[in-house]
Amino acid sequence: DAKTTQPNSMESNEEEPVHLPCNHSTISGTDYIHWYRQLPSQGPEYVIHGLTSNVNNRMASLAIAEDRKSSTLILHRATLRDAAVYYCTVNNAGNMLTFGGGTRLMVKP
Amino acid sequence: DVKVTQSSRYLVKRTGEKVFLECVQDMDHENMFWYRQDPGLGLRLIYFSYDVKMKEKGDIPEGYSVSREKKERFSLILESASTNQTSMYLCASSPGTGIRQPQHFGDGTRLSIL
Repeated sequence: DAKTTQPNSMESNEEEPVHLPCNHSTISGTDYIHWYRQLPSQGPEYVIHGLTSNVNNRMASLAIAEDRKSSTLILHRATLRDAAVYYCTVNNAGNMLTFGGGTRLMVKP
Repeated sequence: DVKVTQSSRYLVKRTGEKVFLECVQDMDHENMFWYRQDPGLGLRLIYFSYDVKMKEKGDIPEGYSVSREKKERFSLILESASTNQTSMYLCASSPGTGIRQPQHFGDGTRLSIL
């Protein structure tokens, strides 16, 4: 199963864009890339997913490298409520997710 | 919105007890999952189920079993609880068998084994 690597933590200022990187160098051709986030005392929450093309939704954008070995979650304007642990995961054909340690995002006012 | 409900937010049990963690989803999802979450280790899959009465082992099934008698309910069973099973347990569900479907999580049960 493909594994993911993310920085342990990142800081951002409120109202500024945030780029959260993820490496998944062993990803296979049919694996989807999913991002989840986990707020304190809550279960993970789905953010966005994609296969090859860049994706946008109301929460974030997902930029996927051409070789698919890395991706970047983009929060266009960070708010204090975006402070969370962000997980990059790979969703294989069995619909199983492989979670890494995630990136703790801290947002400064 | 999809709702995944775990029966307890906090649970304290003793070593050797048989422990049941219950999870119910209200969106008629085929797939259900049990994870445990430990500091520094992320989420690890214990068991999952694609259909009623069907189960598959995940990455760390030892010491656990599951039951899915109805589509909406997925139970995790600790046959004889041990202190190394103290953890946060998360249940999730997703629709169909498509590989692109996101998972919806409950808020977790923090289980302490004394």
